[in-house]
Amino acid sequence: ETGVTQTPRHLVMGMTNKKSLKCEQHLGHNAMYWYKQSAKKPLELMFVYSLEERVENNSVPSRFSPECPNSSHLFLHLHTLQPEDSALYLCASSQDNGAANEQFFGPGTRLTVL
Amino acid sequence: QQPVQSPQAVILREGEDAVINCSSSKALYSVHWYRQKHGEAPVFLMILLKGGEQKGHDKISASFNEKKQQSSLYLTASQLSYSGTYFCGILSGGYQKVTFGIGTKLQVIP
Repeated sequence: ETGVTQTPRHLVMGMTNKKSLKCEQHLGHNAMYWYKQSAKKPLELMFVYSLEERVENNSVPSRFSPECPNSSHLFLHLHTLQPEDSALYLCASSQDNGAANEQFFGPGTRLTVL
Repeated sequence: QQPVQSPQAVILREGEDAVINCSSSKALYSVHWYRQKHGEAPVFLMILLKGGEQKGHDKISASFNEKKQQSSLYLTASQLSYSGTYFCGILSGGYQKVTFGIGTKLQVIP
């Protein structure tokens, strides 16, 4: 496997379910990100982890809970979501060396909340 | 605050040129350009740094005007493969926090 992978690629869940999105990067990077992409809206940064520490939480509701157990893996735990949370959730990684570096994106998880 | 991109959409014939603009109300440290094809992940094009030179590869180049707080992406002699949505992202402070614009949808037709 190369690059950034995400599972599952598609997820349908009810508002009372609990599910998790998984992201794995094989690039040796030390920073990972979660973004939300909705139709006709810009990419919204949700969380940033650098060296496994959360360094950015962009006013995201508590029904979204990130976890970064190591520099290669990132999870997004979901519970009691709302229909407006339906979107494409993208994971990205980059090398954090103090400068602004390119981010490599995964293919995303298409989430539908019923 | 997100950057403003213009135009929101553009249709080109193969071989034509296009310019996509990205402006911000905040002072910029860097501007990032990405392209996303339908159903695919965004792919990095280039980063322009404050005080840096105009960047480019192949027939896609970009400029960064620090005084005007804006960047422009130039697509020359467009190819069908250029079709997609182009996003600019700005780093204006905050740890690795890039704020993206709404995107410019570009379609190249034969």
